[in-house]
Amino acid sequence: AAGVIQSPRHLIKEKRETATLKCYPIPRHDTVYWYQQGPGQDPQFLISFYEKMQSDKGSIPDRFSAQQFSDYHSELNMSSLELGDSALYFCASSLGGPSETQYFGPGTRLLVL
Amino acid sequence: AQSVTQLDSQVPVFEEAPVELRCNYSSSVSVYLFWYVQYPNQGLQLLLKYLSGSTLVKGINGFEAEFNKSQTSFHLRKPSVHISDTAEYFCASGAGGKLIFGQGTELSVKP
Repeated sequence: AAGVIQSPRHLIKEKRETATLKCYPIPRHDTVYWYQQGPGQDPQFLISFYEKMQSDKGSIPDRFSAQQFSDYHSELNMSSLELGDSALYFCASSLGGPSETQYFGPGTRLLVL
Repeated sequence: AQSVTQLDSQVPVFEEAPVELRCNYSSSVSVYLFWYVQYPNQGLQLLLKYLSGSTLVKGINGFEAEFNKSQTSFHLRKPSVHISDTAEYFCASGAGGKLIFGQGTELSVKP
């Protein structure tokens, strides 16, 4: 069965650069969620979208923005990168609006030098 | 506010022994509860979930968990572990489409 696809899988950036992470949900899933997992930490909810509208917002820095497109894929844009942004970024998807049953992608590992 | 507490950060166990990973939650509203497994350098895989109904939930790979409302617990169990079960396990609660994760328990299965 098709799963959530995230790209790139690995990304290395310098401080103050920008990064764009992409997420392609499971086919027919209309809701996308972003989580950040710092080294040795639990995943933290960042933001979610349903039908291209933001549905909830967590601890997402103002330097980050995200959107969901008409084909339901989502992009997380990160500007003025800081060393502390180094983390594993997960995308998850679900069907039929915000749901607790979320299916996670493999993650994008971002390293900021 | 919701919160999830995993009581053990590391659980070492020998192969074929039983294991229990403990999870407590707090919430003022009805919650849905989940266990996820994360293998090294991989994403989160859903092991099992409790939404409603029977309090004993069976998941993949021989794992099961029991929802206990009076003790606000959702402990994960497996009667006999394998080397391949070595991974990080996360308990999570959800309401309104947002998952709150516990701190994780590192299960280490030794031969």
